[in-house]
Amino acid sequence: NAGVTQTPKFQVLKTGQSMTLQCAQDMNHNSMYWYRQDPGMGLRLIYYSASEGTTDKGEVPNGYNVSRLNKREFSLRLESAAPSQTSVYFCASSVMNSNQPQHFGDGTRLSIL
Amino acid sequence: QQQVKQSPQSLIVQKGGISIINCAYENTAFDYFPWYQQFPGKGPALLIAIRPDVSEKKEGRFTISFNKSAKQFSLHIMDSQPGDSATYFCAATAQGGSEKLVFGKGMKLTVNP
Repeated sequence: NAGVTQTPKFQVLKTGQSMTLQCAQDMNHNSMYWYRQDPGMGLRLIYYSASEGTTDKGEVPNGYNVSRLNKREFSLRLESAAPSQTSVYFCASSVMNSNQPQHFGDGTRLSIL
Repeated sequence: QQQVKQSPQSLIVQKGGISIINCAYENTAFDYFPWYQQFPGKGPALLIAIRPDVSEKKEGRFTISFNKSAKQFSLHIMDSQPGDSATYFCAATAQGGSEKLVFGKGMKLTVNP
């Protein structure tokens, strides 16, 4: 049982380049999330998708776009990468409207030069 | 505006000691308070969670204490072990679910042998 799978695990980009981070879950969860983790800042929500076909902005959406491709997959796109977007990105999924926990992937470590 | 404040930022304890992490929240609508544990290179994973209708929840060596009137909750790790060395995040959400979690900034715990 893979849970939440994120690809790639590591990536280095140059300023201005674009990139899509991929996330897939095999737990039949309705809701999916993208977070970024920076030292001393905790986990900050970028975008989330409460159910297939819907997406909403989180706390720090600027510079990002998302696509809920189907129930399993939720991608995060950086159209024009900036050094401030250097971070570790986590995807998570959960059952909607319940007290079940969010399940996280192991992250994508992204450096933008 | 930080809705969940976590302290301390880091903690070093000796093997067998007690580790205590404190969190305070502002939003009285919060009704689900999970704690996540994160090891280096991994995503956060749910450790233990509590709802405000109980004042304490214990699972093995981990105990959550909840004070609704003070809007505070804490995690106690009894008989701390080197394997407990990790980063711990408190979180909170409203509407009884795991949607749109608000995370504290995290605490790095080091347990010395």
